[in-house]
Amino acid sequence: AQTVTQSQPEMSVQEAETVTLSCTYDTSESDYYLFWYKQPPSRQMILVIRQEAYKQQNATENRFSVNFQKAAKSFSLKISDSQLGDAAMYFCAYNRNTGNQFYFGTGTSLTVIP
Amino acid sequence: DTGVSQDPRHKITKRGQNVTFRCDPISEHNRLYWYRQTLGQGPEFLTYFQNEAQLEKSRLLSDRFSAERPKGSFSTLEIQRTEQGDSAMYLCASSEGYNQPQHFGDGTRLSIL
Repeated sequence: AQTVTQSQPEMSVQEAETVTLSCTYDTSESDYYLFWYKQPPSRQMILVIRQEAYKQQNATENRFSVNFQKAAKSFSLKISDSQLGDAAMYFCAYNRNTGNQFYFGTGTSLTVIP
Repeated sequence: DTGVSQDPRHKITKRGQNVTFRCDPISEHNRLYWYRQTLGQGPEFLTYFQNEAQLEKSRLLSDRFSAERPKGSFSTLEIQRTEQGDSAMYLCASSEGYNQPQHFGDGTRLSIL
């Protein structure tokens, strides 16, 4: 079974600084997709970034980038120049190429300190 | 694009009652998902529809739970004979294809008295 582990229940970062959120996953598949979702308090979950496992290049979306280490089954999210609006729960998610289920981690609560 | 909408936002009911939630996906999305999220946890997959067909169900979906998507548009999730353990946020998501990002609604928060 696929599992997604986020070992940091809470993280904090000073505004304008950089923070990295960790995610590891367990799978026997070789082709799959990984996602980071953001869930602000009492608001919708929204996609932050997506990575296809067959691509070696790390995905980047503006201030958000990932460090995808396929052999280590690690998928960390780096947020640069942190802003107050980045404060939220961040969930790492896994989806195998031929599957319909998304598997989510338990989340990391990010606090941005002004 | 009006996004995924869910109704109601909150539902409070007594144990043993039946409840029904509604989800309206993004109109051009043929895939619809239901998740359950409890405090401090990530969303847990419940079931998935492609158009009107329910193609996958989690073992979490006991026989008290039923979901439909009769015309391949909106979906309903019904819980019969609710129990304390059913208290959770129920999230709906839709996507336009497999492996595509899922777009989530605001969720329905269910509280069982």
